[in-house]
Amino acid sequence: QKEVEQDPGPLSVPEGAIVSLNCTYSNSAFQYFMWYRQYSRKGPELLMYTYSSGNKEDGRFTAQVDKSSKYISLFIRDSQPSDSATYLCAMSATGANNLFFGTGTRLTVIP
Amino acid sequence: DTGVSQNPRHKITKRGQNVTFRCDPISEHNRLYWYRQTLGQGPEFLTYFQNEAQLEKSRLLSDRFSAERPKGSFSTLEIQRTEQGDSAMYLCASSSPTSKQYFGPGTRLTVT
Repeated sequence: QKEVEQDPGPLSVPEGAIVSLNCTYSNSAFQYFMWYRQYSRKGPELLMYTYSSGNKEDGRFTAQVDKSSKYISLFIRDSQPSDSATYLCAMSATGANNLFFGTGTRLTVIP
Repeated sequence: DTGVSQNPRHKITKRGQNVTFRCDPISEHNRLYWYRQTLGQGPEFLTYFQNEAQLEKSRLLSDRFSAERPKGSFSTLEIQRTEQGDSAMYLCASSSPTSKQYFGPGTRLTVT
């Protein structure tokens, strides 16, 4: 079993829809949770960063962490065609140097 | 541009050849990471430098792989005797002790 599980999709939504992306994990030592956006043939771009449990909002993006369920989510409101990309969840433990990534969910927002 | 840069962006090589990639981190970042990403997968950690010291290596980093960061600035990743299974995107990231990891655009390796 992988340490981080993520539905690879693909996921297609109409412009303006609310998008929900999710990851589950098995390592209870993970304390830092991130969402990266990756356009085709580009490097990952950091979108959201959360420490421990709770919610964090930044513009149209909201990240949620539920450590009791080992479940994290990213919500995108009023989705735009420019949001079309692969979304990667990533996490790490305190004092660890490496990130553990999910497989990524490919999102397409249709105009 | 003050982000992480990587060169070359794409490398095509024949099986058995050696290849070397370069990463220039964000200038104030003393931590540097290499990851490998294959098609349809998330990045997988390869190795980590703090300044010039290589402090952590994944078991994915076989003895054909070597990474250096001689002056604590740029880093190189060399793959000797390339195999078709080495075809992947090689990503470099950098961070400071208090910042998150920021990734470069990657070097796409194709081994024919």
